[in-house]
Amino acid sequence: QKEVEQNSGPLSVPEGAIASLNCTYSDRGSQSFFWYRQYSGKSPELIMFIYSNGDKEDGRFTAQLNKASQYVSLLIRDSQPSDSATYLCAVNKPGGGNKLTFGTGTQLKVEL
Amino acid sequence: EAGVAQSPRYKIIEKRQSVAFWCNPISGHATLYWYQQILGQGPKLLIQFQNNGVVDDSQLPKDRFSAERLKGVDSTLKIQPAKLEDSAVYLCASSSRSKGITDTQYFGPGTRLTVL
Repeated sequence: QKEVEQNSGPLSVPEGAIASLNCTYSDRGSQSFFWYRQYSGKSPELIMFIYSNGDKEDGRFTAQLNKASQYVSLLIRDSQPSDSATYLCAVNKPGGGNKLTFGTGTQLKVEL
Repeated sequence: EAGVAQSPRYKIIEKRQSVAFWCNPISGHATLYWYQQILGQGPKLLIQFQNNGVVDDSQLPKDRFSAERLKGVDSTLKIQPAKLEDSAVYLCASSSRSKGITDTQYFGPGTRLTVL
């Protein structure tokens, strides 16, 4: 079992729709969870993080965390073509050092 | 505030040659990370420094990879000798380590290495 699992996609959504990106993790002691966006040929950039169960909203983005199910998701409302990118889920494992383990990423395509 | 700087941006070498990458973190960031990102995969941590000390190098192939962070600022990652499977993007990231589990890592533009 991979430490952090994501569906590689591509996930295609029409412009204006809600895109839902999912991530599961194996280490129940994981403490915080990060979503990064990576455009083709570019480096990852942080969208948001979450560490408490429930929802966290930031503009068009909502992160959802369910520690009991070891599941974290990212919702993108009113998807735009500029949201087309690979979305990386990263998990901060316990044990110190602030070390992140990344999933393989989900490719999102927002179609006109 | 200037971001993480890396050089070179691209490098093409023959297998068995050596190569070095340089990283300058965001000013004041105590923690520096080197990641390897193979096409179609997520970044994989190679080594983590806290100031000039190594925190984690468990996934660094130490027979061919080495890294140092002199004076707790700039860092260099070296590969010697390179193998075909080392073709990847090498990302440097830094964080301030002031916010614990919500510390954000900021990535540099990366160095794309092609080994022929």
